[in-house]
Amino acid sequence: GAVVSQHPSRVICKSGTSVKIECRSLDFQATTMFWYRQFPKQSLMLMATSNEGSKATYEQGVEKDKFLINHASLTLSTLTVTSAHPEDSSFYICSATAGQASNQPQHFGDGTRLSIL
Amino acid sequence: GQNIDQPTEMTATEGAIVQINCTYQTSGFNGLFWYQQHAGEAPTFLSYNVLDGLEEKGRFSSFLSRSKGYSYLLLKELQMKDSASYLCAVRDKAAGNKLTFGGGTRVLVKP
Repeated sequence: GAVVSQHPSRVICKSGTSVKIECRSLDFQATTMFWYRQFPKQSLMLMATSNEGSKATYEQGVEKDKFLINHASLTLSTLTVTSAHPEDSSFYICSATAGQASNQPQHFGDGTRLSIL
Repeated sequence: GQNIDQPTEMTATEGAIVQINCTYQTSGFNGLFWYQQHAGEAPTFLSYNVLDGLEEKGRFSSFLSRSKGYSYLLLKELQMKDSASYLCAVRDKAAGNKLTFGGGTRVLVKP
């Protein structure tokens, strides 16, 4: 089945640090990948849609300059949390769909738990 | 916008059956997905419905009624490892086919 790899799985860093998270589709090409954020005991909130070769589409309320997305190839999207602060601490998850058919589910990476001290 | 509702929490006994309901409102329905998420892990795909009716996959089944904006996930022969959150997600053409997730239902299976 389709596999999505996300790295790192956990990050603990000081306030003001920028953190890069990678999302890779291992056995398929993904022109579109999605970045979600999840707070404890809450559901997934879509942050942005990452499009290969073009600018990401951000959801309302998500700061583009804060959460930089780069989708430079058909198998890799990166999310950079710039100048992270404690309120950015969360579980970040990426997903990708193998193929364009509407019945194709989104396959999720293992997530990155970000803790800002 | 979309409104997806599912119960917050359910408790059931090992070996029993549990039904998790999901209601939604959307202008361009284009499929409904159920995911399972264990604490601290990413969601894993369980089932997909786009036409009315029941889809069965082993111990898990999912039902859809588009006219009622309603789906349920049925878990049979519950096992302890089924304790997890179950997320209902709807794809909407009017929203660029993005997935919108419900709040999730935490299922606790007791011995």
